[in-house]
Amino acid sequence: DTEVTQTPKHLVMGMTNKKSLKCEQHMGHRAMYWYKQKAKKPPELMFVYSYEKLSINESVPSRFSPECPNSSLLNLHLHALQPEDSALYLCASSLSPDRLNTDTQYFGPGTRLTVL
Amino acid sequence: SQQGEEDPQALSIQEGENATMNCSYKTSINNLQWYRQNSGRGLVHLILIRSNEREKHSGRLRVTLDTSKKSSSLLITASRAADTASYFCATEVANFNKFYFGSGTKLNVKP
Repeated sequence: DTEVTQTPKHLVMGMTNKKSLKCEQHMGHRAMYWYKQKAKKPPELMFVYSYEKLSINESVPSRFSPECPNSSLLNLHLHALQPEDSALYLCASSLSPDRLNTDTQYFGPGTRLTVL
Repeated sequence: SQQGEEDPQALSIQEGENATMNCSYKTSINNLQWYRQNSGRGLVHLILIRSNEREKHSGRLRVTLDTSKKSSSLLITASRAADTASYFCATEVANFNKFYFGSGTKLNVKP
């Protein structure tokens, strides 16, 4: 199984809503990532989890709250978002956070989020 | 882009022609990867080249890396309509597991 899955595929939410994005992989990868991609722009790194611990936060606003409950799951909790947060949210994973072993990132299909 | 730029921004060619895309970056890197993205979908990994490598091949893909110029190129030979997509380079810089994407090249291969 070389797949990263993301749910939901599409999400529309109001600015007062609380919602969560989910990402799952069963490849035994120990590094997981959240990216945000606006239309016609490259993906921008948001968070990195290494061995289920948050290792990188790219100065993301607190209305985005990541969570890694176990080595296969990664969540992104959303609260009080703004319309400008509308984007494609991509999850990725790679085998090892080990400095000696740089690996390919495998991406999920993304969740297209619209904030009204 | 936080790390670098790609050129051209857009490229339109006929099926069977070769396509070349360039990526420039700003800081020292551990490796550079190329990805393809079909419209509005997830990214597909194409090829990884490490900082101590100069050239790498995979099928119809050829990647070069010049660390002295901080640049890389992706060559797709004998292009097909199915190659139509956006292509991004991504560099792993400084701290491992921190990847930055270039601005991307949108390739259109006309049948």
